[in-house]
Order: sequence, then C-alpha cells, then structure tokens
Amino acid sequence: VQLVESGGGLVQPGRSLRLSCAASGFTFDDYAMHWVRQAPGKGLEWVSGISWNSGSIGYADSVKGRFTISRDNAKNSLYLQMNSLRAEDTALYYCAKNQEAVTASAVFDIWGQGTMVTVSS
Amino acid sequence: DIQMTQSPSSLSASVGDRVTITCRASQGISNYLAWYQQKPGKVPKLLIYTASTLQSGVPSRFSGSGSGTDFTLTINSLQPEDVATYYCQKYNSAPWTFGQGTKVEIK
Repeated sequence: VQLVESGGGLVQPGRSLRLSCAASGFTFDDYAMHWVRQAPGKGLEWVSGISWNSGSIGYADSVKGRFTISRDNAKNSLYLQMNSLRAEDTALYYCAKNQEAVTASAVFDIWGQGTMVTVSS
Repeated sequence: DIQMTQSPSSLSASVGDRVTITCRASQGISNYLAWYQQKPGKVPKLLIYTASTLQSGVPSRFSGSGSGTDFTLTINSLQPEDVATYYCQKYNSAPWTFGQGTKVEIK
C-alpha cells in the first residue's frame, strides 16, 4: 500500500499549483481520500476530502473557494488544485487514505510522504 | 466548530514509565476519536480509532479510552521508539479537527 505525492514547489503569492497523489497496493475506488497539511514546526490540519465516487466533497474553511479536490479512479490518482495561494498555505501536504468509502467519518489509515509547498515572493 | 485540546503539550518520562495524554473536545463527539503518532521527521501513523480500537500492528502497550468530551491515550511501559508527537483527531463530523499535539520525550 503506497501513496506518492508530487507537484509541490516554490510559488509566488496569488499563483496556482496542482498537487497529485498516486495510489497503489489497494483498490483506490473503494475509499475516500483526503489532503492533510502540516506547516513547518506546526500540527496537522485537514484540508479537503473526497468520497470514493466524488459524490461528497469537503473543504476546511481556510481553503474553501481557493482549493479544489478531485480524483481519477481510472488512474488511481488524487489531485488538489490550489489557486490564489497565500504565505499561510506554506506546508507539507500529505495525501491520506480514509478507512471507509464515504467521507461521513474520516480516519486516515495510510499516509503518503508528503510534498512541500512554499508560497513566497 | 468543535475544538480539540490536548494536555500536556509536552512531557518527559523515563523508559518503562506509564504515560497518559489527554484530549478534550469542546462538545461531545461520542467515541469518534482517533490517535496518531508522528515520529521526528516521519509521516503520521494511525494508532487508535473509535477511541479505543487499536490499529493493526500497533503494540499493545498503547491503549485509548473515553467517550463524549474526554479521552486519554496511555502508553504502558514507555519505550525509546515511542519518542514522537501524538495527535488526537475527532471524526464525528466535518471539519476533521486535530488536537495541537503532545510531544513525548525520554528523560
């Protein structure tokens, strides 16, 4: 079971970035998926989640209207489109597998290694 | 939104000690609580869910209890490999909020 994130990097405030997460070792379309971030030296913050069939999607208030989560079950991939980036979005972004198919409850049982996003001019 | 507050923020204990970490929810969350362990420089790992169910592969010295608003994570006989930051997380409803973390060190 593996989750591998990519797409992070240094970006100027106001610009966009798209993160990807490639899943393997489990039946991807059986589970909801999430993005969780961790600012340098800080705690964990849930960012967004998506159900197995993309029918249910949720966002933290801090990113609502700026970030968009999506998934492609045919490609076993999860995405996070991040627009209008701010300095406070600087963090390590983890892809995390939900224990269940739906997002009605979110327990993160598998985590990727993370991809670092730095927002700075 | 429901807030999750952990105490203490950090602790130092000796190998073999029993360590207890507390997590308090600002409103009742039944038993929809998970605990994660994050070792220095590593990825978070699920330890416990539904407040007291041990995730597969987690050593039995870890245990969880509680319901409603007050929860505890206990490490019986602290080991050097347990040095980590521990986070609680509520999952009764979105947003899926974490506590601020408790850093556990060896004395």
